[in-house]
Amino acid sequence: GAGVSQSPSNKVTEKGKDVELRCDPISGHTALYWYRQSLGQGLEFLIYFQGNSAPDKSGLPSDRFSAERTGGSVSTLTIQRTQQEDSAVYLCASSWTSRYEQYFGPGTRLTVT
Amino acid sequence: KQEVTQIPAALSVPEGENLVLNCSFTDSAIYNLQWFRQDPGKGLTSLLLIQSSQREQTSGRLNASLDKSSGRSTLYIAASQPGDSATYLCAVSRGAAGNKLTFGGGTRVLVKP
Repeated sequence: GAGVSQSPSNKVTEKGKDVELRCDPISGHTALYWYRQSLGQGLEFLIYFQGNSAPDKSGLPSDRFSAERTGGSVSTLTIQRTQQEDSAVYLCASSWTSRYEQYFGPGTRLTVT
Repeated sequence: KQEVTQIPAALSVPEGENLVLNCSFTDSAIYNLQWFRQDPGKGLTSLLLIQSSQREQTSGRLNASLDKSSGRSTLYIAASQPGDSATYLCAVSRGAAGNKLTFGGGTRVLVKP
């Protein structure tokens, strides 16, 4: 079946602009995660959604970052007023429930110039 | 705070040799441990997931062991092939808080023909 998909695959933006990154999880998966992979910080957790529960935002680095998940499926990660340190690969993962194996998408490479 | 370490950071072996990749974590109160493979410019591919109650998992040429009390996991890849060249990441979850993963820095593997 189809895996986790993310769009765009690459995004170049100017410092100060807002960006939106999209994630389509595997159909039927109720848990959805966003992670960030950067050279200096490795792979780090950002935010987690489980069903209709309030999201766990404990990994978001600043209030410029936000995410939503509509209809329990597609998720959008928004970064406002982008900074150069936001440059990274943003990875989305989903799982059947929060206690099962996580499957990752191909990521969105964000470059802030 | 959970910390995950993978040593060595890079490994080069001749084709046919067995690979041994190490992962250590500081907090033994984990729910599960997952091993991933990442090819350059790609997302993460799940290889094996070990629940905290298990001591090992096997899939084909791959075998992963878990010693929760000592905070260690080892991934064995038998009879390595050039196609096994990639970065291997381990990640642990606490489980109680949505199963968000804490990642190690990865081991970059090169299998020479």
